[in-house]
Amino acid sequence: AQKVTQAQTEISVVEKEDVTLDCVYETRDTTYYLFWYKQPPSGELVFLIRRNSFDEQNEISGRYSWNFQKSTSSFNFTITASQVVDSAVYFCALSEETQGGSEKLVFGKGMKLTVNP
Amino acid sequence: ETGVTQTPRHLVMGMTNKKSLKCEQHLGHNAMYWYKQSAKKPLELMFVYSLEERVENNSVPSRFSPECPNSSHLFLHLHTLQPEDSALYLCASSQDRLRHYNEQFFGPGTRLTVL
Repeated sequence: AQKVTQAQTEISVVEKEDVTLDCVYETRDTTYYLFWYKQPPSGELVFLIRRNSFDEQNEISGRYSWNFQKSTSSFNFTITASQVVDSAVYFCALSEETQGGSEKLVFGKGMKLTVNP
Repeated sequence: ETGVTQTPRHLVMGMTNKKSLKCEQHLGHNAMYWYKQSAKKPLELMFVYSLEERVENNSVPSRFSPECPNSSHLFLHLHTLQPEDSALYLCASSQDRLRHYNEQFFGPGTRLTVL
């Protein structure tokens, strides 16, 4: 079965520090999708990135960057120069196809990031 | 309104009550989902609807009854719940339920407490 492991449960940093959130996944699929979502205190999950298994290029979006390493089954997320507004719970997720053919997201347990001023 | 909205945001109910959670998406999507987020457990998929048809039921107890009257609205009817059903219930939508399509967009959730 698919599995997503976020080993860190909680991290606390001071503003402007860089922070990396780890994500390790397990899958038997050759084609799959990986995601990162952010859940601020308001509750909704905010989509950050979707990456397919054939695209191992790292991606940068402003202060966010993602490092996809198929060889180690990892999809790590780095926030550069963190800000207080980055405080949230971050989820890594892996897509899985259900028996009915739907796309199901398998989530990690989440990592709570607190950025202190 | 934009995106995915959910009402109510908070709900407290007794074990004998009947209540409903409502989700509405304003994105023109064809697929809608219910997820459950419990403390200390990963998010769990409960149901998937595609064009108003239920296509997935992830072994959810019958005390949870979903309804999708049209592609924009999704309900979760609750009856005779247990305290362990207390959780954040998240609704999501996507362009299509099949793999390789766009990401799922989530609503803010309903925080449910069962006394």
